[in-house]
Amino acid sequence: LAKTTQPISMDSYEGQEVNITCSHNNIATNDYITWYQQFPSQGPRFIIQGYKTKVTNEVASLFIPADRKSSTLSLPRVSLSDTAVYYCLVGEGNQGGKLIFGQGTELSVKP
Amino acid sequence: ETGVTQTPRHLVMGMTNKKSLKCEQHLGHNAMYWYKQSAKKPLELMFVYSLEERVENNSVPSRFSPECPNSSHLFLHLHTLQPEDSALYLCASSQGAGRNEQYFGPGTRLTVT
Repeated sequence: LAKTTQPISMDSYEGQEVNITCSHNNIATNDYITWYQQFPSQGPRFIIQGYKTKVTNEVASLFIPADRKSSTLSLPRVSLSDTAVYYCLVGEGNQGGKLIFGQGTELSVKP
Repeated sequence: ETGVTQTPRHLVMGMTNKKSLKCEQHLGHNAMYWYKQSAKKPLELMFVYSLEERVENNSVPSRFSPECPNSSHLFLHLHTLQPEDSALYLCASSQGAGRNEQYFGPGTRLTVT
């Protein structure tokens, strides 16, 4: 399973775009990149998943360079309610459910 | 509301008690998971069930005993726990074990006294 590295914490202000980068140097060919969001005392919530290039949904965008050794979660115009921990996970779709959560990035959005 | 419910939301139990945590998913998924999250720590995968059969057990102590009677329900039976077992216990489900898109319940906050 590929190990991921993310910044431990980030600060931002309301209305700004936030980019959180995750390093996964030993990503395997069959691995997908998935991001989750977790609020205190709640379960994580799936945000976005991608394999290469760019993926966009109503919540975020995920940018993956050609070598796939890193990925960037982009949150447009954050609000106070986006304050949460964001987890980057890398894994194969049929690996038996082994989601390995790292420390995540604690994002704090200020007014 | 993710379609995964957990009861109770909070539980305080002594080290000699026996209790059970319940999880129910209303998404038609065929895989369910138990995770443990201690304070300021990442989630730890405990058990995985696919089509009601256990496919993963990450060396969890025997004082934690899972049960999956059908694809919609998952239990975690607890007995003779230790104070260090105090944590947030999260249930999740997915369409197929190993899918990275898992849907989590709100969790049960367990305190062992």
